[in-house]
Amino acid sequence: DGGITQSPKYLFRKEGQNVTLSCEQNLNHDAMYWYRQDPGQGLRLIYYSQIVNDFQKGDIAEGYSVSREKKESFPLTVTSAQKNPTAFYLCASSYLRTADGGQPQHFGDGTRLSIL
Amino acid sequence: GDSVTQMEGPVTLSEEAFLTINCTYTATGYPSLFWYVQYPGEGLQLLLKATKADDKGSNKGFEATYRKETTSFHLEKGSVQVSDSAVYFCALSDRSYQKVTFGTGTKLQVIP
Repeated sequence: DGGITQSPKYLFRKEGQNVTLSCEQNLNHDAMYWYRQDPGQGLRLIYYSQIVNDFQKGDIAEGYSVSREKKESFPLTVTSAQKNPTAFYLCASSYLRTADGGQPQHFGDGTRLSIL
Repeated sequence: GDSVTQMEGPVTLSEEAFLTINCTYTATGYPSLFWYVQYPGEGLQLLLKATKADDKGSNKGFEATYRKETTSFHLEKGSVQVSDSAVYFCALSDRSYQKVTFGTGTKLQVIP
């Protein structure tokens, strides 16, 4: 079955440490996204990519980095510069826009990151 | 910029009650509109969508109609079940860049 796989499901970060969250999709989607979810704040866009080797900052990119070396993969690194990384991180993918713009995003099951 | 406003939760209903979750939006262009559902500990799943004015999206007994004149996309279900308990997100998609703007989510609790 096609889908999006995020790993790990739970992750703990020590002070000063960078951690990388994995996101892999086999839906042949062109676009991939990373969101951060905090209680009561909905989803906020961190980074997105519409094509291999290209990506754009979202609304809250500071303290995060991404790469898109393969169409299927879009890992997110939470760097030590992100002072409040505790959150639920969601990866999503979609086809690129069509004439009606109605392409929905497909989501993984998320990674919950906490500080030790 | 684009924005989505949802009614505050949690919404608590008895089984078989009628559900309405209000959603209004602000957009500079002509967006596509979506409702997503999130069950505990999981990612979001698309529930329904509408891409133009007066379109009605429907799925699993849920419905929402794209109202351009009132910039609204309210979610309704005639008879809720305990299994409908989840967080519901209204969202819009910018046609130009495929970015999606989400509301803050509305938690629904259905009690037997």
